[in-house]
Amino acid sequence: KAGVTQTPRYLIKTRGQQVTLSCSPISGHRSVSWYQQTPGQGLQFLFEYFSETQRNKGNFPGRFSGRQFSNSRSEMNVSTLELGDSALYLCASSLGGSESSYEQYFGPGTRLTVT
Amino acid sequence: GEDVEQSLFLSVREGDSSVINCTYTDSSSTYLYWYKQEPGAGLQLLTYIFSNMDMKQDQRLTVLLNKKDKHLSLRIADTQTGDSAIYFCAERKKGGYNKLIFGAGTRLAVHP
Repeated sequence: KAGVTQTPRYLIKTRGQQVTLSCSPISGHRSVSWYQQTPGQGLQFLFEYFSETQRNKGNFPGRFSGRQFSNSRSEMNVSTLELGDSALYLCASSLGGSESSYEQYFGPGTRLTVT
Repeated sequence: GEDVEQSLFLSVREGDSSVINCTYTDSSSTYLYWYKQEPGAGLQLLTYIFSNMDMKQDQRLTVLLNKKDKHLSLRIADTQTGDSAIYFCAERKKGGYNKLIFGAGTRLAVHP
């Protein structure tokens, strides 16, 4: 079975621009979560989508948004980029559906650099 | 609070056992996880333990959970150079769906 894939792997953007990152979960998985990893703040939860609905959200400003499609693929968007948005963005895939879906598998991440 | 704490660095000799420790704060946590991250890579799920268990063994990995003290440890037997990486513990709280709260990570260095 193919793992979690994220595209693109690397991205360089300028302050003020917007960016869209994509995540394809493991086949059959319906939950996708997004995390931001930075040296200063570590790994922080952004949001989780299940069956095209956001069911949990972290403490990030409204510039960070996401969505999930009917095939469970997910995108996250960051608008009006700031230098502090430079990070590794990771998505995680899980069966979802209940509290018993406990295994989460991560993709390789998208490295975003904002200049 | 939501803090998960880990020591930042551990150095061991090849062939020895490594023990990485973690403390968490929320007694409602349902599952506790260990992930491994190598340079430039994502997170690899190593193992996890349900909160009503005390111990879980998986090949060279042993997880111990002391729920009273909210203490989690990961023991790696016969540590190899390929085990050099950053190890993250994470907790999943009841009602939080798949939201994981991570520690800062422990950098494990294995030397000959």
